Amino acid sequence: QKEVEQDPGPLSVPEGAIVSLNCTYSNSAFQYFMWYRQYSRKGPELLMYTYSSGNKEDGRFTAQVDKSSKYISLFIRDSQPSDSATYLCAMRPLGGGYNKLIFGAGTRLAVHP
Amino acid sequence: DTEVTQTPKHLVMGMTNKKSLKCEQHMGHRAMYWYKQKAKKPPELMFVYSYEKLSINESVPSRFSPECPNSSLLNLHLHALQPEDSALYLCASSQERLAGPNEQFFGPGTRLTVL
Repeated sequence: QKEVEQDPGPLSVPEGAIVSLNCTYSNSAFQYFMWYRQYSRKGPELLMYTYSSGNKEDGRFTAQVDKSSKYISLFIRDSQPSDSATYLCAMRPLGGGYNKLIFGAGTRLAVHP
Repeated sequence: DTEVTQTPKHLVMGMTNKKSLKCEQHMGHRAMYWYKQKAKKPPELMFVYSYEKLSINESVPSRFSPECPNSSLLNLHLHALQPEDSALYLCASSQERLAGPNEQFFGPGTRLTVL
């Protein structure tokens, strides 16, 4: 079993839809949860991170962490064609230093006009 | 400045060539990373430098040789590569705080093709 599971999609939605992207994980030591967006042939861009459980909102994006279920989500409201990209979840345990990030497989999202 | 820069953007090399990839950041980060990413796969960690010292080598073949000349620069020297080494090579950097997410910021990558 992989430490982080993420459905690779592709996920196709109409413009304006609410998108839900999800990851599950098995390592209860993970405390920091990050979402990256990667456009085709570009480097990953950090969207947001969440520490432990709870919600975090940034504009049209909301990240949720449910540690009891080992489940994290990224919601995109009013999705736009410019949101079409691969979304990678990444996580790491508590502790300082460089700690290795564990990535999900990435979900490819297509938002069509 | 929250930017990580990488040069070149594209590189085509033969199996007998020697080339280098370069990465630079001016965010004061003391951890720097090299990743390899194949199409439709997540980034795969290769090396980590912490305070200019190699901290992690994920069993990468010796034809890849990293170097960290100073706290802002990271190089990856390439020699005798194989066609299967063709990929997007990503550099990233992060802080090394005792507490906090130490989130990693990625560069745009170098797309490498080995003929």
